[in-house]
Amino acid sequence: KAGVTQTPRYLIKTRGQQVTLSCSPISGHRSVSWYQQTPGQGLQFLFEYFSETQRNKGNFPGRFSGRQFSNSRSEMNVSTLELGDSALYLCASSLDGAKRGYTFGSGTRLTVV
Amino acid sequence: DAKTTQPPSMDCAEGRAANLPCNHSTISGNEYVYWYRQIHSQGPQYIIHGLKNNETNEMASLIITEDRKSSTLILPHATLRDTAVYYCIVRVATETSGSRLTFGEGTQLTVNP
Repeated sequence: KAGVTQTPRYLIKTRGQQVTLSCSPISGHRSVSWYQQTPGQGLQFLFEYFSETQRNKGNFPGRFSGRQFSNSRSEMNVSTLELGDSALYLCASSLDGAKRGYTFGSGTRLTVV
Repeated sequence: DAKTTQPPSMDCAEGRAANLPCNHSTISGNEYVYWYRQIHSQGPQYIIHGLKNNETNEMASLIITEDRKSSTLILPHATLRDTAVYYCIVRVATETSGSRLTFGEGTQLTVNP
């Protein structure tokens, strides 16, 4: 079966711009989570969506937001980009976000210049 | 979620078993132990999880001590492709707990030819 698909794979943006990243979960998976990975902070949880509702949120500023559509596809948006937002953004999906493991996508590498 | 402690790095010879330890002395009764790995520049990959019984799947075995304060991930016949950062995560897993995985520093496993 198809895995978790994230687009685009690479992105270069300028400070102050905004960006939207997309994640298509595995078919049938209703939970979609987003993570940020940087060399300094490691993997950090951003937020989780389940059935179009945000169920969990990490400790990130309001510039980071997301949403989930009725087909479970999810997008995350970062507004007013800062240099420190340069990172690998990873999406993970699961059937229900509970006991089962999560399947991660390959990520979107965002570079802010 | 309980905190975990892992050695920062380990080496293993190709074809030998790799035993990766994890300490989670503050684990609660309803918290599961999960293992993920991340090969450079890819998304984390789910390996295995367990509550208190030992678990085995096609990738690895998970041994949890009787007091549940520590566990060991065993890769029975390590290959060069098993070189990765391995993360031990402890979390509650219920229908409403969501997917907030807290990644620590992990263990960099290097499999040598």
